Amino acid sequence: DTEVTQTPKHLVMGMTNKKSLKCEQHMGHRAMYWYKQKAKKPPELMFVYSYEKLSINESVPSRFSPECPNSSLLNLHLHALQPEDSALYLCASSRVLAGGSETQYFGPGTRLLVL
Amino acid sequence: QQPVQSPQAVILREGEDAVINCSSSKALYSVHWYRQKHGEAPVFLMILLKGGEQKGHEKISASFNEKKQQSSLYLTASQLSYSGTYFCGTVGSNYKLTFGKGTLLTVNP
Repeated sequence: DTEVTQTPKHLVMGMTNKKSLKCEQHMGHRAMYWYKQKAKKPPELMFVYSYEKLSINESVPSRFSPECPNSSLLNLHLHALQPEDSALYLCASSRVLAGGSETQYFGPGTRLLVL
Repeated sequence: QQPVQSPQAVILREGEDAVINCSSSKALYSVHWYRQKHGEAPVFLMILLKGGEQKGHEKISASFNEKKQQSSLYLTASQLSYSGTYFCGTVGSNYKLTFGKGTLLTVNP
């Protein structure tokens, strides 16, 4: 089973709202990722967690706050977003964070609209 | 460093073949290939590691020439289900997977 689940599927929020995106995997993977994808563009890496610790932050604005409560769960907390943050947010996981030999499996994504 | 994909788009009739190329100006540890259909998540196709290997997946195969820092994805006898955007992703020394801009493949009946 190579399933990564994400909730919610769709989210509409105002610029003053606080919301959270959730990602879950039960494959025993110890590396988890958040990507942002705008229309007709490739996914862009935001954050990487390895063994529940933040390993990579791609200079993402502080209005995005990641959290990894345990090895199966990854959250992305959203606060005071801008309309340009509207995008598809993808979660992925891999067995471990390794030098390119590990496959990343993507969840279905959360489509976010900021009004 | 973002890999460069070519072509940007290709239109095929069912049963025809296609080649998608991916190149990088930096040394590569691996190349990852994904297909994404509209409104869906990227689906993993295959990963190629250093060693010039070639891999296959159904009627889709790929090669990796580490000396030239290039990879090619070969789609033979294309089916309607092959339509989508194909991304190559490369991993450098920082463990970061960076995707190319994608190749939009359309297979018509």
